[in-house]
Amino acid sequence: DAKTTQPPSMDCAEGRAANLPCNHSTISGNEYVYWYRQIHSQGPQYIIHGLKNNETNEMASLIITEDRKSSTLILPHATLRDTAVYYCIVRITGNQFYFGTGTSLTVIP
Amino acid sequence: DGGITQSPKYLFRKEGQNVTLSCEQNLNHDAMYWYRQDPGQGLRLIYYSQIVNDFQKGDIAEGYSVSREKKESFPLTVTSAQKNPTAFYLCASSIWGRGTGELFFGEGSRLTVL
Repeated sequence: DAKTTQPPSMDCAEGRAANLPCNHSTISGNEYVYWYRQIHSQGPQYIIHGLKNNETNEMASLIITEDRKSSTLILPHATLRDTAVYYCIVRITGNQFYFGTGTSLTVIP
Repeated sequence: DGGITQSPKYLFRKEGQNVTLSCEQNLNHDAMYWYRQDPGQGLRLIYYSQIVNDFQKGDIAEGYSVSREKKESFPLTVTSAQKNPTAFYLCASSIWGRGTGELFFGEGSRLTVL
């Protein structure tokens, strides 16, 4: 099964881009990468997902390396409300979503 | 609005008691999931169900039981056999099958064993 590795914590200045890395070196060719975030004591919120190509939506951008062994979530202009735990998840065959321990992002005023 | 509803939000129980957490969805999703989250930890899969009347164990199923009698409902029972049941429990649903359907989560149920 593909697993993910993320740094436990990161800081980012308000208004700057937040770049959150994720390693998923054992990912298979048909497994998607998803990103979620969780604000304390709430259910995780979907951000973005991708397979091979880079993706962008109103919340963030997802950059996936050509070998698909790693990805980066980019929050282009971080705000205080972006302070949360961010999970990089691989959707494995069988439709299970494997969560790691995530990255705790703190946006600093 | 479509979504997932978990209840109760907070629950206290005495040791040795079973307790059932409710999860209802009106998204018409085939798949439903239960996750457990401990302080400072990620989410761990307890059980999941692809279809009515069928469910599979996840990574930490011991001490838990589920049922899936209706597409909309996937209740989780925390039995007295669960050694350390105090945790935050999250229910989720998704479209099942090849594709890109994401997980939708409820707001969680926090269980405390006294």
